Formats: sequence, C-alpha cells, structure tokens
Amino acid sequence: GQSLEQPSEVTAVEGAIVQINCTYQTSGFYGLSWYQQHDGGAPTFLSYNALDGLEETGRFSSFLSRSDSYGYLLLQELQMKDSASYFCAVWSGATNKLIFGTGTLLAVQP
Amino acid sequence: DVKVTQSSRYLVKRTGEKVFLECVQDMDHENMFWYRQDPGLGLRLIYFSYDVKMKEKGDIPEGYSVSREKKERFSLILESASTNQTSMYLCASVGQLNTEAFFGQGTRLTVV
Repeated sequence: GQSLEQPSEVTAVEGAIVQINCTYQTSGFYGLSWYQQHDGGAPTFLSYNALDGLEETGRFSSFLSRSDSYGYLLLQELQMKDSASYFCAVWSGATNKLIFGTGTLLAVQP
Repeated sequence: DVKVTQSSRYLVKRTGEKVFLECVQDMDHENMFWYRQDPGLGLRLIYFSYDVKMKEKGDIPEGYSVSREKKERFSLILESASTNQTSMYLCASVGQLNTEAFFGQGTRLTVV
C-alpha cells in the first residue's frame, strides 16, 4: 500500500528555522511534493522533488532521499504568516494516485 | 490565472438525499481528484480520473460515485448522504507532468 508519515504538530518562533519531515511508502514513486494550507483555505503547492537533493525556493527548501524514502521541508526566517498546515504528497506511477500525508500543523510564535 | 472551481462553498443536506458536488478546471488537465479532509486525518482520496469517462477508486470510495463526461468537469456524487459524510471536500487537478496539483476552494458539506 501507500502511506506517508509526518509529525502532527511543530512549534517555532519568528525568525527561526524549522524542518518538517516526511517518510513514505509507495510503489512506482515519481516524486514528493509539499503543500501549504492556511486555516479555511485550499492547499497550495510549494515544491516538488523528483530527484535526490535539495531544491530551494526563497525561504523554503525541500529535500529528497529516494533511497531512504524520506524528505523534508525546511522553512527559514519564519514569519507569523507561515503558521499553517503543511502536507507532503507522493505520486504513485503504479496506481496513478496522488496521496497526501496527514499534515503537520506549524505554529509560529512571536 | 489557472482555476479549479467547485460549485458550492457551503452545503447543507438531509440524510438520505442524493448530493452532487461539481468541479470544473480550465487548465485542460487530464487528472482530477476528489478528497475529503477531516481534522487529524489529512486529505483522503475518494476517487480520481485520468481521462474522460475513466474513473478509479481511491482509498475511501464507499458511499460515493463519480462522473467525468467532459475533460474539464469531475463530479462527486453521494448516492444517499449520511451524517458521517459531513466533511470538507476538495477537488484537485493535475497536468501530465504530475508535479503540481491545483485545488478548488473546497465545499464544506454538512449532512443533518
């Protein structure tokens, strides 16, 4: 089957760096994505990793290790507006499914 | 600006009613998905479609069906609504490169 695990909650202070981990099990892995969802809103795309290594987009970076079935989202210079839920997602080429993790609620404190 | 539009933002239905949730995308995407989101459970896949008239069961298809008669429209049908189907329903579409999913604004369905 397919499954993704990520921590349920993370708390950090403004200006800090936080890392949200994701481990996955899937068949026919294509890539690992990250999405942000503010309370009451729809998920929005942050990043996609198909190959091993680090992808950087502004304050956000995402890392993938295919051999370890593991990835993380790194948020730097945290701002209050980064308080949201963050989901990792995998696309399975074997089943054509896009599967999401249960989400990590990030609380940024002043 | 790319768009996925869900027909209703909020919906209240009675137990036993047949409910239609509509989703339309304007990006000519092949793949469309229906998820439900409940606190602590993340986004759970109900059904998805990778082409017109094609549909596949997701992880929690019981009590639901779907229809994809046109490429841009993917409908979720609750054959006989029950209170345990009270939830937030999210539609998403993904293009052939399978990298980014675009979501609609969600439909918060309450079954009473």
